[in-house]
Amino acid sequence: QSALTQPPSASGSPGQSVTISCTGTSSDVGGYNYVSWYQQHPGKAPKLMISEVSKRPSGVPDRFSGSKSGNTASLTVSGLQAEDEADYYCCSYAGSNNLVFGGGTKLTVL
Amino acid sequence: QVQLVESGGGVVQPGRSLTVSCAASGFTFSRYGMHWVRQAPGKGLEWVAVIWYDGSKKDHADSVKGRFTISRDNSKNTLYLQMNSLRVEDTAVYYCAREDWDSGVWAFDIWGQGTMVTVSS
Repeated sequence: QSALTQPPSASGSPGQSVTISCTGTSSDVGGYNYVSWYQQHPGKAPKLMISEVSKRPSGVPDRFSGSKSGNTASLTVSGLQAEDEADYYCCSYAGSNNLVFGGGTKLTVL
Repeated sequence: QVQLVESGGGVVQPGRSLTVSCAASGFTFSRYGMHWVRQAPGKGLEWVAVIWYDGSKKDHADSVKGRFTISRDNSKNTLYLQMNSLRVEDTAVYYCAREDWDSGVWAFDIWGQGTMVTVSS
């Protein structure tokens, strides 16, 4: 199972919006509505930000939103804040009780 | 509070075995599917294995299939990952993670702090 494709880096100024893409295939992202997104600060465990493409868990700010079109899922962070600077990973169900992660995107708040 | 605590990591020689554990507290462990996810130094996340809430089903990533085995003891609220025939490329922080269908199917809402496994001669 190949890793999902994410841009290595993304950036934006405080208050701006940034979108991170996650491209897979019809066997993973395109085939199921089970895409999740995780935020990871240096030296910390990942944190769930979005599940099932666009579902936001309790406690996650509504500045974070998710969507999907075909084989590509996206995470949008609106109203960027300094604390949003972190690594972001997408993850998709890939059938047969398997999951696959993206390579990660380092988000920099300028 | 809801918590997962991994233990058992360390330095091991290639070809040897190691078992890491994950102790759960603050929730009814036996009601949740559990996963192992690893992260090599400076690299991204890699899904390793899943086990159903009652242990009836389990699956492993192709990269570890036949070498690693996930298991659980619901009476001890503990998840395990037995790792055999370890390779240098298995060096990583190993996280256990909970899957809560209320938060999202095939998503991990609670993570442990991780335990480091280093495979080196």
